[in-house]
Amino acid sequence: GQQLNQSPQSMFIQEGEDVSMNCTSSSIFNTWLWYKQDPGEGPVLLIALYKAGELTSNGRLTAQFGITRKDSFLNISASIPSDVGIYFCAGLRDDKIIFGKGTRLHILP
Amino acid sequence: DSGVTQTPKHLITATGQRVTLRCSPRSGDLSVYWYQQSLDQGLQFLIQYYNGEERAKGNILERFSAQQFPDLHSELNLSSLELGDSALYFCASSVVSGRTEAFFGQGTRLTVV
Repeated sequence: GQQLNQSPQSMFIQEGEDVSMNCTSSSIFNTWLWYKQDPGEGPVLLIALYKAGELTSNGRLTAQFGITRKDSFLNISASIPSDVGIYFCAGLRDDKIIFGKGTRLHILP
Repeated sequence: DSGVTQTPKHLITATGQRVTLRCSPRSGDLSVYWYQQSLDQGLQFLIQYYNGEERAKGNILERFSAQQFPDLHSELNLSSLELGDSALYFCASSVVSGRTEAFFGQGTRLTVV
């Protein structure tokens, strides 16, 4: 079945550091989405990417849709405590939204 | 607030029982997706409906079923419940099937005891 490989699985960083995570797949996707999930809550959409090569920002977040359409990355600059949570990538294809397993971000005091 | 409403928020039930989870999509959204998330796990796609019809199926057990009604709300029915069915169940909605971003509800936390 279609799978998304999301890495890293978890990250421990200092407040103020930049963060980078990515998703890769063996399949092409038409749209890439990035979500953040806080404990016990539903995922919240952060950024949507619709075109290969597209680079989109949302505040301190920047995401890119890979040229091959098989990958995407998310960067967070100058991390703050409220950035803690699980970040999921998702690809849209054939009426399905397939999710990566998530990157758990921890911020050290 | 995403505009997607799920009820109930919490549900505790015994093994062997049957429950129904409800989802009201955002106004104007025709597509509803259901996902299961076990503790500290990713989001497993269960099933998707578009404008009342089943559009895609994922790893949904035979004991589970879903439907989307004419008013576009959806229900996920879980029967013969087992301890391993305890999880968060999310629905998401989007405007056009598989083509636009999806917005999630707050989830239903199911605990089977």
